[in-house]
Amino acid sequence: DAGVTQSPTHLIKTRGQQVTLRCSPKSGHDTVSWYQQALGQGPQFIFQYYEEEERQRGNFPDRFSGHQFPNYSSELNVNALLLGDSALYLCASSQSGWGRSNQPQHFGDGTRLSIL
Amino acid sequence: GEDVEQSLFLSVREGDSSVINCTYTDSSSTYLYWYKQEPGAGLQLLTYIFSNMDMKQDQRLTVLLNKKDKHLSLRIADTQTGDSAIYFCAEAPASGGSYIPTFGRGTSLIVHP
Repeated sequence: DAGVTQSPTHLIKTRGQQVTLRCSPKSGHDTVSWYQQALGQGPQFIFQYYEEEERQRGNFPDRFSGHQFPNYSSELNVNALLLGDSALYLCASSQSGWGRSNQPQHFGDGTRLSIL
Repeated sequence: GEDVEQSLFLSVREGDSSVINCTYTDSSSTYLYWYKQEPGAGLQLLTYIFSNMDMKQDQRLTVLLNKKDKHLSLRIADTQTGDSAIYFCAEAPASGGSYIPTFGRGTSLIVHP
């Protein structure tokens, strides 16, 4: 049973470029969340997708956008990259349930994004 | 708002018990999680507890919750070198429509022989 998979594992971009990161959720999960983890910090919530719609959003600018596909996989897009966007980007999946209860999130290994 | 605090470092000797502490601020019913992150990897869910519980045990792991003080601890018995990692405490409200966990900065556990 495959867990959460993310691609690519590493990426190097320059300022001003755009990037797309991809995530496949754990089998049986239908909700995908994205986090940014800067060095030495805990993960910071970017947004969550359910039923192909953005359900919740953290305190991130509109340069960060996403998409969820009918097979529940998801993409994170970041436009106009800044040096400060360098971080580990983590995808987490969970299964929605009664009352959208907070089933534990399962994380992928992340994409390490470096901005030069 | 929610805030989760953890000490940044803990060093123990192999075979000893490790206790990692966490404090949180949300006063409503909440879920509390412990995740482990090894170098170059994502977060691995270790265990979680609902705020109406006082304790949860799972093999070498024991979670203790003091609701009055909003204090959570993770005890690892017989700590091994393979337990060296960063441990994150996280809190997610169980009601109100927002189920997104808030993470602490992580405690770096170093296990030496």
